[in-house]
Amino acid sequence: NAGVTQTPKFRVLKTGQSMTLLCAQDMNHEYMYWYRQDPGMGLRLIHYSVGEGTTAKGEVPDGYNVSRLKKQNFLLGLESAAPSQTSVYFCASSPGPPLYSNQPQHFGDGTRLSIL
Amino acid sequence: GDSVTQMEGPVTLSEEAFLTINCTYTATGYPSLFWYVQYPGEGLQLLLKATKADDKGSNKGFEATYRKETTSFHLEKGSVQVSDSAVYFCALSDRGQGAQKLVFGQGTRLTINP
Repeated sequence: NAGVTQTPKFRVLKTGQSMTLLCAQDMNHEYMYWYRQDPGMGLRLIHYSVGEGTTAKGEVPDGYNVSRLKKQNFLLGLESAAPSQTSVYFCASSPGPPLYSNQPQHFGDGTRLSIL
Repeated sequence: GDSVTQMEGPVTLSEEAFLTINCTYTATGYPSLFWYVQYPGEGLQLLLKATKADDKGSNKGFEATYRKETTSFHLEKGSVQVSDSAVYFCALSDRGQGAQKLVFGQGTRLTINP
């Protein structure tokens, strides 16, 4: 059972470079999320999607863009990477709203991103 | 807005000790409450949940009771094991637009020594 798969697992970028993080889920979930995890800050929501073709801003969306062209994939883009975006990024998916789900969110193993 | 506050870590205990990790919340409505656990190098996994006041969630020997009067959802375990070493996150999901999202606390790192 693959669940939620994030690609890549590690990446080092230089300031100003761009990249895309890929999240894929095989559970036919409608909802998908991107978080960043920083020491002492917990998980902060960057963007999320409630279905194919939809996206919405979370708590810390600046500097990131997302796309959900296919139900199973949720892409997170950094157009011009900055050192402040050094973090561990987690993708999650859920069958519906966490409030009404027995399994609120399934998480990937994370992508560790360093911006020099 | 909604928020979750957890006790400061890290927490270090000896095996078989009693564990409490405090969690309090602020929400505009009547949220559902969750505890997630993150083992080293992995993503978060749901540990337990409670959807209404006085509900008790339990799993793997861990328990937490939804206390509306004190807006709390403290995590407890009677006898911890080395394998319980992890980071624990309290989270909530509120009604309305907030129902689509989880709001997480900052996490509490737990280390159990043999």
